[in-house]
Amino acid sequence: GAVVSQHPSWVICKSGTSVKIECRSLDFQATTMFWYRQFPKQSLMLMATSNEGSKATYEQGVEKDKFLINHASLTLSTLTVTSAHPEDSSFYICSARSTSGRYQETQYFGPGTRLLVL
Amino acid sequence: GESVGLHLPTLSVQEGDNSIINCAYSNSASDYFIWYKQESGKGPQFIIDIRSNMDKRQGQRVTVLLNKTVKHLSLQIAATQPGDSAVYFCAEIEGYSTLTFGKGTMLLVSP
Repeated sequence: GAVVSQHPSWVICKSGTSVKIECRSLDFQATTMFWYRQFPKQSLMLMATSNEGSKATYEQGVEKDKFLINHASLTLSTLTVTSAHPEDSSFYICSARSTSGRYQETQYFGPGTRLLVL
Repeated sequence: GESVGLHLPTLSVQEGDNSIINCAYSNSASDYFIWYKQESGKGPQFIIDIRSNMDKRQGQRVTVLLNKTVKHLSLQIAATQPGDSAVYFCAEIEGYSTLTFGKGTMLLVSP
């Protein structure tokens, strides 16, 4: 149980284009989903927290107009990197928190999306 | 942006040995802790968790120990296997706030 999927698993795009990444909780409902960014050999950096049906909460330093987050249902959140540039190249990982279960604080992570902007 | 020259602490063990990965956490009010395993190119995978009202919890081949006095968490892996090679992160949380991740430890298991 508690499976989270991401699509696509990797994407290469040209500078200036927008890229959408989907995060789905497959076997549970998630009122809260999180988006992280990770650079090589570093820990995960939280970008934003999204609650179903409301606006995402962004961490300090993360541009909300650059990284658009939508959490339209209890099983789907999307991250759109708008006008991507090479410095946006990174590993993006989402996680979801279940609305039920033994510990509702537990976050389950997706497999990540590798973005390369040329 | 990326920090140049950043290296993860690394623990190298032989296959079959027991491994102990340590983590110091920062928030004395944290009441829930999780260990995650992250293989190269993949997302973190839940391994085991523990509540602050416990000091030990065992899973299959893994044990988590919590010492709230010194704010220390450890993950013990019994009979370490090459498939255990990965980066291990501890994470802490207070209530329903967001997870705070530790820096991570790379575990390398030699056959």
